[in-house]
Amino acid sequence: GEDVEQSLFLSVREGDSSVINCTYTDSSSTYLYWYKQEPGAGLQLLTYIFSNMDMKQDQRLTVLLNKKDKHLSLRIADTQTGDSAIYFCAETGGTYKYIFGTGTRLKVLA
Amino acid sequence: DAGVTQSPTHLIKTRGQQVTLRCSPKSGHDTVSWYQQALGQGPQFIFQYYEEEERQRGNFPDRFSGHQFPNYSSELNVNALLLGDSALYLCASSLVLAGRGQFFGPGTRLTVL
Repeated sequence: GEDVEQSLFLSVREGDSSVINCTYTDSSSTYLYWYKQEPGAGLQLLTYIFSNMDMKQDQRLTVLLNKKDKHLSLRIADTQTGDSAIYFCAETGGTYKYIFGTGTRLKVLA
Repeated sequence: DAGVTQSPTHLIKTRGQQVTLRCSPKSGHDTVSWYQQALGQGPQFIFQYYEEEERQRGNFPDRFSGHQFPNYSSELNVNALLLGDSALYLCASSLVLAGRGQFFGPGTRLTVL
């Protein structure tokens, strides 16, 4: 079946690193994505990783993919108050649709 | 370069009514997907349109229908509204080979009373 799971909440202090975790079920997913949603807004694509990669770095963002365990993580270095938002991971499951997790609410404490 | 735009921003309807939501994709994109996001949940896939045809559909009843126009813009129609249809409706556009991500609009907040 198709399922994406994330922990609901994460709280970090400003300047620390944040790590948001996600597990997915469909091993046929070619790409995996991280999106950010601020209150009352749509989803902003942060980054994506191709399934044959283990890691991708993009400025303050680092994505790690463990395909064997179907585990995806997003690390945000030097977390700022502007990073407070809900973060969604998504897989495609080999189809056209994106399957989203329930989202992780990141709160950054000043 | 305009991103994905949606209209209206907010909408209030009563049970049993019908609603039409509109979406214009990001410039250069040819594929439009619609998602429903209930409060506190992740987006749920409704359907995707490419070349004016519904290419894939999620687990939504036939009350949900759509259309894509030759200029790639799209409409989502919902008939016989239920209270449970209250949600944020998100439109996302991409190229047909969507590996590099779908780009989302700001959404339409639908409230059904």
